[in-house]
Amino acid sequence: EAQVTQNPRYLITVTGKKLTVTCSQNMNHEYMSWYRQDPGLGLRQIYYSMNVEVTDKGDVPEGYKVSRKEKRNFPLILESPSPNQTSLYFCASSLNRGHGYTFGSGTRLTVV
Amino acid sequence: AQTVTQSQPEMSVQEAETVTLSCTYDTSESDYYLFWYKQPPSRQMILVIRQEAYKQQNATENRFSVNFQKAAKSFSLKISDSQLGDAAMYFCAYGLQAGTALIFGKGTTLSVSS
Repeated sequence: EAQVTQNPRYLITVTGKKLTVTCSQNMNHEYMSWYRQDPGLGLRQIYYSMNVEVTDKGDVPEGYKVSRKEKRNFPLILESPSPNQTSLYFCASSLNRGHGYTFGSGTRLTVV
Repeated sequence: AQTVTQSQPEMSVQEAETVTLSCTYDTSESDYYLFWYKQPPSRQMILVIRQEAYKQQNATENRFSVNFQKAAKSFSLKISDSQLGDAAMYFCAYGLQAGTALIFGKGTTLSVSS
């Protein structure tokens, strides 16, 4: 089944404790992206990648890191999480222009 | 900068009736794509329908259709024969090309009553 898999689905952590949210897609998509969803704000892009070793900042990149060492994987790293990073996070991938993104199931992150 | 506006935070419809969700966007580009995504309580983001700006014909997917007015920069979603399973938050999104940002509106919560 073609899908985007992100883990974990739920995560509660403490301020300052480094964490990684994994994302993997099995569709051989070149384009991958991370979004965060907050009430009243819709979805905002954090980072995106157009291919292996090619990443760039989205609208809200502060406090996040990404890497794209393999085509299928695009992890999101929070080096020192803070409470304002409490959010619902989505990984997404796309074949090419115009197809729209296929989204993962989301990760609900709470930073206390 | 491109923006997407959904002016209806909440909408309601009765089963079997038709409802239209509004979306407007602002762009200076001529070649772009527009999407409607559905997010049910399971929070999964599901692509409902997409429209290429260069196509004049409105996209249709079963009970879902759009009214794309390029000059007015309007992209509304019509749901016909509404079903209980249509209850969800709906997001309108704009994109220039994959790999760059999809710009999302803030969403419209649709409730369906029997």
